[in-house]
Amino acid sequence: VQLVESGGGVVQPGTSLRLSCAASGFTFSNYALHWVRQAPGKGLEWVAGISYSGGNIYYSDSVKGRFTISRDNSKNTLHLQMSNLREGDTALYYCVRDQGLYDFWSASVDWGQGTLVTVSS
Amino acid sequence: IQLTQSPSSLSASVGDRVTITCRASQDITTFLAWYQQRPGKAPNLLIYGASTLQSGVPSRFSGSGSGTDFTLTISSLQPEDFATYYCQQINHYPRTFGQGTNLEIK
Repeated sequence: VQLVESGGGVVQPGTSLRLSCAASGFTFSNYALHWVRQAPGKGLEWVAGISYSGGNIYYSDSVKGRFTISRDNSKNTLHLQMSNLREGDTALYYCVRDQGLYDFWSASVDWGQGTLVTVSS
Repeated sequence: IQLTQSPSSLSASVGDRVTITCRASQDITTFLAWYQQRPGKAPNLLIYGASTLQSGVPSRFSGSGSGTDFTLTISSLQPEDFATYYCQQINHYPRTFGQGTNLEIK
């Protein structure tokens, strides 16, 4: 299993950024996926999750209304569209796959190496 | 759902038995996972379903609990176990993590 994030960078507050996660080594359309972030020197924070079909989507309160998670099962790719970015969104963003087949309530077994987003004026 | 881990940090020696606790603010049955994160690395799943050992994880790791109170136990610490440990509830969305427990060498 490989999860490779991309799209991070340094941006100013109030701007937008789109993260992508290219997946391989498993049947992409069968598994729920998530974005989890970690601010420098801080703990893990779950950001957003999407079910295997894309029919169920959830967000943390801290990003609801600003971030949009989506997936393209034909291209084995997960996205996170981030808008109205704040300095508090600065973090390493991990793409994560759950272990359960067609299951939106299983633990996260595979993690990418992360892509760093820095929001600073 | 809030998860509260204790302690936040812990100093121990190789060979020690250590226990980390995770308390949920409401009943999450057994929808709890434990992760290990070494510095500069992505987290690694240790335990799921509160007590099921993930494939490939050494048997010195064990988990227990249900409802609101959970524990992660390492029976005999090895040098590679010094890391940060997180619990995560997956019973309700939004998912949440505990604040982490930093396990350091004494």
